[in-house]
Amino acid sequence: SAVISQKPSRDICQRGTSLTIQCQVDSQVTMMFWYRQQPGQSLTLIATANQGSEATYESGFVIDKFPISRPNLTFSTLTVSNMSPEDSSIYLCSVAQGATGGNEQYFGPGTRLTVT
Amino acid sequence: AQSVTQLGSHVSVSEGALVLLRCNYSSSVPPYLFWYVQYPNQGLQLLLKYTTGATLVKGINGFEAEFKKSETSFHLTKPSAHMSDAAEYFCAVSEDYNTDKLIFGTGTRLQVFP
Repeated sequence: SAVISQKPSRDICQRGTSLTIQCQVDSQVTMMFWYRQQPGQSLTLIATANQGSEATYESGFVIDKFPISRPNLTFSTLTVSNMSPEDSSIYLCSVAQGATGGNEQYFGPGTRLTVT
Repeated sequence: AQSVTQLGSHVSVSEGALVLLRCNYSSSVPPYLFWYVQYPNQGLQLLLKYTTGATLVKGINGFEAEFKKSETSFHLTKPSAHMSDAAEYFCAVSEDYNTDKLIFGTGTRLQVFP
């Protein structure tokens, strides 16, 4: 299993500003994922981040709004840029271990973002 | 394209009663299927998963699920509910064998009454 930490755990931000969320894993992993969970809703995948390559974004999410870094096999950041109240959500990172195919994902505790 | 449907956004049961949470999926290839649980103010935790082999899968905390290909279903059950089972439950599907990418259902909130 993998233990994942996220910073910050929560934040309240002003509209128009940006917030960078950090995700740290206690072991080396190939695949890292970033999800958004809007209030009372399910998880929506934002992007998949592989070390050494550009992140792959899902439909409806763009790099200018959600730039992602993946500098090594244990760390990633997600930036929420030019925030608006609609960005208020919980942002979660997750990792999958092992050869691809049917691996479970381990989730961080999430970052609760409120935009005012 | 893959998708997941969870029937019933809220399910309420009495303590000791059967828990049944429904999940149907659509997938163009044999899928991998997962159930995750999210306790209040906590991250997601894997309950169980189906990849290949036996279609009845047993997970943690007494939960199990059966993969029924003909019905494209992966319903989650527990014979006897406990108060501590109150949580949000998410069904998820993966058909991207290269990335383990998951598509989640909308979730079912389980309430357990004494």
